[in-house]
Amino acid sequence: AQTVTQSQPEMSVQEAETVTLSCTYDTSENNYYLFWYKQPPSRQMILVIRQEAYKQQNATENRFSVNFQKAAKSFSLKISDSQLGDTAMYFCAFEVIGNYQLIWGAGTKLIIKP
Amino acid sequence: EAGVTQSPTHLIKTRGQQATLRCSPISGHTSVYWYQQALGLGLQFLLWYDEGEERNRGNFPPRFSGRQFPNYSSELNVNALELEDSALYLCASSRWDAENYGYTFGSGTRLTVV
Repeated sequence: AQTVTQSQPEMSVQEAETVTLSCTYDTSENNYYLFWYKQPPSRQMILVIRQEAYKQQNATENRFSVNFQKAAKSFSLKISDSQLGDTAMYFCAFEVIGNYQLIWGAGTKLIIKP
Repeated sequence: EAGVTQSPTHLIKTRGQQATLRCSPISGHTSVYWYQQALGLGLQFLLWYDEGEERNRGNFPPRFSGRQFPNYSSELNVNALELEDSALYLCASSRWDAENYGYTFGSGTRLTVV
């Protein structure tokens, strides 16, 4: 069975600091996607960043970057220069290519303090 | 471009009743996915519809069902409601080009069973 584990239920940092959210996953598959989604109080799940497992280069999107370690099955999210608007639940998700079904972690509540 | 829209925003039902939730995907998206986000349990995959057909379903009882209409909008029906069905139900649609692969979510329907 495929599982996604987020070991940090809650984190808080000061505005402008850098924060790293951890995610590990378990699968015997070789071809998959990994995602980080953000869910603010508005409830809408917003895609933050996506990583294809076949790509060795880590994905980046502005202040967001990932550290993808395929052998270790680790997929952490780094948020640089954190902003108050980054306050949200962050979910790590995994999808075997062709399954069209996301497997989710339990989420990390991130609080950015002014 | 309008996003994924879900209605109603909130729904309160009595145990044993039926609930109907609706979702309209982004224009041009033919696939619709339903997820249940129960408190403390993370997101669980419910159903996937594509081109009017049910393509896959998660580990949920048959009283969770749905359909997809010719305009690609979708309904999720939950029969014989139980208290544990109280959750946020999220709908997503997807696009398939490699550069923009990912799921776009709506803001969900909060179902409360009393």
